[in-house]
Amino acid sequence: QSALTQPASVSGSPGQSITISCTGTSSDVGGYNYVSWYQHHPGKAPKLMISEVTNRPSGISNRFSGSKSGNTAYLTISGLQAEDEADYYCSSYTSRNTPVFGGGTKLTVL
Amino acid sequence: EVKLVESGGGLVQPGGSLRLSCAASGFSFSSYWMSWVRQAPGKGLEWVANIKQDGSEKYYVDSVKGRFTISRDNARNSLYLQMNSLRADDTAVYYCARDRSWYSDWGQGTLVTVSS
Repeated sequence: QSALTQPASVSGSPGQSITISCTGTSSDVGGYNYVSWYQHHPGKAPKLMISEVTNRPSGISNRFSGSKSGNTAYLTISGLQAEDEADYYCSSYTSRNTPVFGGGTKLTVL
Repeated sequence: EVKLVESGGGLVQPGGSLRLSCAASGFSFSSYWMSWVRQAPGKGLEWVANIKQDGSEKYYVDSVKGRFTISRDNARNSLYLQMNSLRADDTAVYYCARDRSWYSDWGQGTLVTVSS
């Protein structure tokens, strides 16, 4: 049950766009369309931002979008805002009938 | 409004036991898989265990197999995690979450500290 691979940190200036990658294998990210993304501010409950690779839950800004190519999924945040600064985690269903999370990416808004 | 409230965390010695609870409201609890997810200090999120709607299927991360048991009481809209033989590396905030192959709703978490 190895964690999915995410960059430890990314940064961008307000108004810019950033993309966070999430790399797995054909047994998880590449094999299923059950990739999801979470925003986590320290001390708070994680918040679902994207489900099933591309679906944005009600109430989530359209500045957040998801995609996938092969064994890698992506979260793109456009028009960066100060409140976007947080930790972001991807998750995927796996062939073991269990989920796995990525190691997390710290987003800094400069 | 969906609400998940965890309780039962605290300080426990290595080798000890603790039972976490999660009270659910605002949705049809018996219709959903449920999961426990934890975050150790300075670390990322880690899925711990999940349980099917009727409790007939349960899955665990390898590191807790044989030590932790997930269960549920649909009549009480409650999820549980019985944690035995606790180790220092089980120290974490434990979250319960509604599991739809993604986690649409999370509780605020309960802190478990394993230390002598």
